[in-house]
Amino acid sequence: GAVVSQHPSWVICKSGTSVKIECRSLDFQATTMFWYRQFPKQSLMLMATSNEGSKATYEQGVEKDKFLINHASLTLSTLTVTSAHPEDSSFYICSVRTGGNQPQHFGDGTRLSIL
Amino acid sequence: GDSVTQMEGPVTLSEEAFLTINCTYTATGYPSLFWYVQYPGEGLQLLLKATKADDKGSNKGFEATYRKETTSFHLEKGSVQVSDSAVYFCALTPDSGNTPLVFGKGTRLSVIA
Repeated sequence: GAVVSQHPSWVICKSGTSVKIECRSLDFQATTMFWYRQFPKQSLMLMATSNEGSKATYEQGVEKDKFLINHASLTLSTLTVTSAHPEDSSFYICSVRTGGNQPQHFGDGTRLSIL
Repeated sequence: GDSVTQMEGPVTLSEEAFLTINCTYTATGYPSLFWYVQYPGEGLQLLLKATKADDKGSNKGFEATYRKETTSFHLEKGSVQVSDSAVYFCALTPDSGNTPLVFGKGTRLSVIA
C-alpha cells in the first residue's frame, strides 16, 4: 500500500492565489521529508528538505518566502506556494526517506496549474 | 560529490525487444542503488534495489546487478511491453542518514506495438 500520501493531486487556480500541498507519511514517523519540483520531460529538482520541528533547508535558488514549508508533526509536511504565478506551474512531489539503506518513498505528486 | 549518470533517452523499442538502460555512479563509501519508474502523470515508484556489491535486484521482469568494479547498475528486461513505457531513474543513497537520494536525469522509454 501507499507509504506517502500527497494531496491534492491537481490544482488549477488564478494568479496571485496561495496554494497548500500536503504530504503525509502513513506508516512511519518521518523527521525528514523532501520536496521536489519537476518540469515536463525533466528530472526531479530538489527544492527543500523539511525537518520536523525546525526550519526547512532550501536548495540554492529556491525562494523560501515563495515556497513555505511547515513540518509540524512527524507525519505531515506542507508546502505552500504563496502568491502563485504562471511560472510556478509545475509538478510537485514529496518524498520520505526512512534512513539506512532504505529507499525513498514518493507521493503521487501534485500538478499545479496557475492561470 | 556523489553522482549518477544514466543514458540519455528517449529510447524507443518495439514490443518484446530487449531493454538495457545504462547507469553508472560515483560515490564514496558503499551506497545502495535503486531504480525508480515514473509513469505519465504519477510520482516515482521503486522498481528494484541492491544494497551491496554483486546483489541483483529484480521486479516485474526487470533486473539490475550492482557492479562495484565497474561502478554500474544497468537496468535490463528481456521482453518489454507497451505498459513499460515510462521514465526510469537510477539513484543511490549518499549515506546512511537522512540526506536525499542522488538521482540520474532519467531515461524515457517508449515501447510501440
